[in-house]
Amino acid sequence: EAAVTQSPRNKVAVTGGKVTLSCNQTNNHNNMYWYRQDTGHGLRLIHYSYGAGSTEKGDIPDGYKASRPSQENFSLILELATPSQTSVYFCASGEQGFYEQYFGPGTRLTVL
Amino acid sequence: GDSVTQTEGLVTLTEGLPVMLNCTYQTIYSNPFLFWYVQHLNESPRLLLKSFTDNKRTEHQGFHATLHKSSSSFHLQKSSAQLSDSALYYCALKRVSGSFNKLTFGAGTRLAVCP
Repeated sequence: EAAVTQSPRNKVAVTGGKVTLSCNQTNNHNNMYWYRQDTGHGLRLIHYSYGAGSTEKGDIPDGYKASRPSQENFSLILELATPSQTSVYFCASGEQGFYEQYFGPGTRLTVL
Repeated sequence: GDSVTQTEGLVTLTEGLPVMLNCTYQTIYSNPFLFWYVQHLNESPRLLLKSFTDNKRTEHQGFHATLHKSSSSFHLQKSSAQLSDSALYYCALKRVSGSFNKLTFGAGTRLAVCP
């Protein structure tokens, strides 16, 4: 069974603080993605990765960094969190050449 | 660039009535790949069905959709709505962007099925 996990599941942060969202996948997929979900905007791609050591900017990368230290782990980093980054964040993995993406359970982030 | 349009933000139906959720797309790719993802409350999105073939109906879990390249559409349908179909539905398009697998998602349509 495909498995993507995220931590934390809920996070409250203060404006200007640093936030790290973690994602782990046991699918052995090369590709990993970070999305944010907002009503009226759907799922928007923040960063993605081809494999360990690689990160690429997605459609809305401003204010976010990403890190892929291993095949299994992909982190999203907000160095200076702002209230506009309050959202639900989903991590996903996918196998190169196949287009289905497997999503984690999501992290609800609130920036006060 | 690639884009996906879902015109309805919310569709409310009575149980037993047919479902149709609209999806149109724009792409320069002559062989588009289209997907429907479903997200139930407090869950994550999961693939419902996909299609790469023009004018061929694809079905899964009672839902079906047909990719029509002539009208750039991939509408999701079901003959009879059930309460358990209440969820958020996303239409998505594989992007034309090199070899990496990226998807463009529509804004989503929330389906609410009432007794």
